[in-house]
Amino acid sequence: AQSVTQPDIHITVSEGASLELRCNYSYGATPYLFWYVQSPGQGLQLLLKYFSGDTLVQGIKGFEAEFKRSQSSFNLRKPSVHWSDAAEYFCAVAPATGGFKTIFGAGTRLFVKA
Amino acid sequence: NAGVTQTPKFRILKIGQSMTLQCAQDMNHNYMYWYRQDPGMGLKLIYYSVGAGITDKGEVPNGYNVSRSTTEDFPLRLELAAPSQTSVYFCASSRDRSNQPQHFGDGTRLSIL
Repeated sequence: AQSVTQPDIHITVSEGASLELRCNYSYGATPYLFWYVQSPGQGLQLLLKYFSGDTLVQGIKGFEAEFKRSQSSFNLRKPSVHWSDAAEYFCAVAPATGGFKTIFGAGTRLFVKA
Repeated sequence: NAGVTQTPKFRILKIGQSMTLQCAQDMNHNYMYWYRQDPGMGLKLIYYSVGAGITDKGEVPNGYNVSRSTTEDFPLRLELAAPSQTSVYFCASSRDRSNQPQHFGDGTRLSIL
């Protein structure tokens, strides 16, 4: 069955520390991969996406993600976290060959401590 | 730059009532989507549209209906509200399928009592 797993329900990091949010997927073929961020009371904002090519993808707000086919993972990273990064982060996969059945993970809530 | 606008932001309904959640986008996007977000869960696709006059079911369409008479507007209708439809509803849009979905509204928080 197709699925997206974000193993960490919540993560706390200190401001200025590095961040890695995990995402694993189960899919029949290499899908399109996305990371979104959701601030409280707002809709999701697209951070970055992977379609093909270079497996290290750069996004907005200083985020990057690395696609590892052998591990079926698409982890999100940021070298230095700012207090404004506190939010919920969602990983998502979509079929590359047609259809609209985007599957979202359950999300990881990031807390940033001073 | 309004982006995707949803109204209302909050609503409380009684069981059996009906209502329409409004969604409008000003980016001339062909693709529009309705999602619901339940606590501790990712978004689930309710309906989507690839252009005016064309709509299709997503993962959880039961109890909902949509229409797309213009490129800009994509309303979601609940005909007989049920407690299971208590959720936060998001409308989204994208220029094409490869960018799906890219722009989200701020959501409508709906409670059915």
